[in-house]
Amino acid sequence: EADIYQTPRYLVIGTGKKITLECSQTMGHDKMYWYQQDPGMELHLIHYSYGVNSTEKGDLSSESTVSRIRTEHFPLTLESARPSHTSQYLCASSDLRDSLRHSPLHFGNGTRLTVT
Amino acid sequence: AQKITQTQPGMFVQEKEAVTLDCTYDTSDQSYGLFWYKQPSSGEMIFLIYQGSYDEQNATEGRYSLNFQKARKSANLVISASQLGDSAMYFCAMRERFRNAGNMLTFGGGTRLMVKP
Repeated sequence: EADIYQTPRYLVIGTGKKITLECSQTMGHDKMYWYQQDPGMELHLIHYSYGVNSTEKGDLSSESTVSRIRTEHFPLTLESARPSHTSQYLCASSDLRDSLRHSPLHFGNGTRLTVT
Repeated sequence: AQKITQTQPGMFVQEKEAVTLDCTYDTSDQSYGLFWYKQPSSGEMIFLIYQGSYDEQNATEGRYSLNFQKARKSANLVISASQLGDSAMYFCAMRERFRNAGNMLTFGGGTRLMVKP
């Protein structure tokens, strides 16, 4: 069953448009993450959050921004989409209390973004 | 330097046979965790198995087992009795203690496994 939801699943949009990728989880997890993945390639962390009002940039520089106003919601926004933003964006969450032990990230199904 | 290296971009295996997917890692931490994820063509990431650096036994989960060789810094995934549904990308990932507060994972480049009928 899917406890972390991403919408839209696919998005094709023109250059210069503002877009928001939605991510919601129903597990009450404090930590949430955004990864960017080009087709057939590794995942790169672009944003993460420890909890409400906490956002940090990840290892890979990204022109996107995120917000965390509610525990369950972690949207990603691109103010002006460009073809270089074409990629898959994966949202994930994990439980803060499990950070020292076996605690896999729970991933959403991803959003495949194409900017024309 | 690469933190996680998966040297096999693609592999074929005959249905019902076993296959080993390689993963080597680089860390100076004593406490870390290693994960394997499966990514079908639909794109979602499915958690398969976890190995902690202090775990004495190799992890097993059903048909998945982890051949953990700490001194060699390798954590190879073994899939026994391959099934057609195992065809997917497989990613090895590591969580290091110094980044533990964020539970962030560093991923390898992946191996595409194709199971032949």
